Amino acid sequence: AQSVTQLGSHVSVSEGALVLLRCNYSSSVPPYLFWYVQYPNQGLQLLLKYTSAATLVKGINGFEAEFKKSETSFHLTKPSAHMSDAAEYFCAVSDPRGSTLGRLYFGRGTQLTVWP
Amino acid sequence: EAGVAQSPRYKIIEKRQSVAFWCNPISGHATLYWYQQILGQGPKLLIQFQNNGVVDDSQLPKDRFSAERLKGVDSTLKIQPAKLEDSAVYLCASSLVFQASSYEQYFGPGTRLTVT
Repeated sequence: AQSVTQLGSHVSVSEGALVLLRCNYSSSVPPYLFWYVQYPNQGLQLLLKYTSAATLVKGINGFEAEFKKSETSFHLTKPSAHMSDAAEYFCAVSDPRGSTLGRLYFGRGTQLTVWP
Repeated sequence: EAGVAQSPRYKIIEKRQSVAFWCNPISGHATLYWYQQILGQGPKLLIQFQNNGVVDDSQLPKDRFSAERLKGVDSTLKIQPAKLEDSAVYLCASSLVFQASSYEQYFGPGTRLTVT
């Protein structure tokens, strides 16, 4: 079974500071990995995804994530935080073998606060 | 391109009452998902449809939850009778391709259910 652990339910940074949101996964095979963002009262929006191509993945809004197999991690980073980045971020995993037909397993989420 | 539509956006009911949620996926998307997102947790898959057939309902509490997707387009999720622990946001998502774990799921804004 797939599972995701997001370290830190809340992260606070100052505007302009580095954003680092941590995600570790558990999987018997290299999975597909995703980061989604959720703004208040909205659905989830895909930021980026890893599907076994380049290990450094660039997404929207200046975010990127690096797949590290040895560490079973897929941490999300952004060099300089903006006030508009304040939201909840979810890491998710799916099984590329297709046995679970695209089903996503989500972490508990990390709430990002950006201070002016 | 219109996104995933859901209604109602908010619903308050008393325990033991019934409630239904509606979802209209993106046009042409064959796969439809219903997720339950309890406060402070990541979304959890309840049921997945491919066209109008169920491909995964292993996490659906079938004694009180039911879902259908008539004609492979719109879908409804019903809870009867509701319990306090059903208070959550119910998210609908759709994706273009069946059995392709790397393909993006597009999420609707969700329905926030409060059971009193």
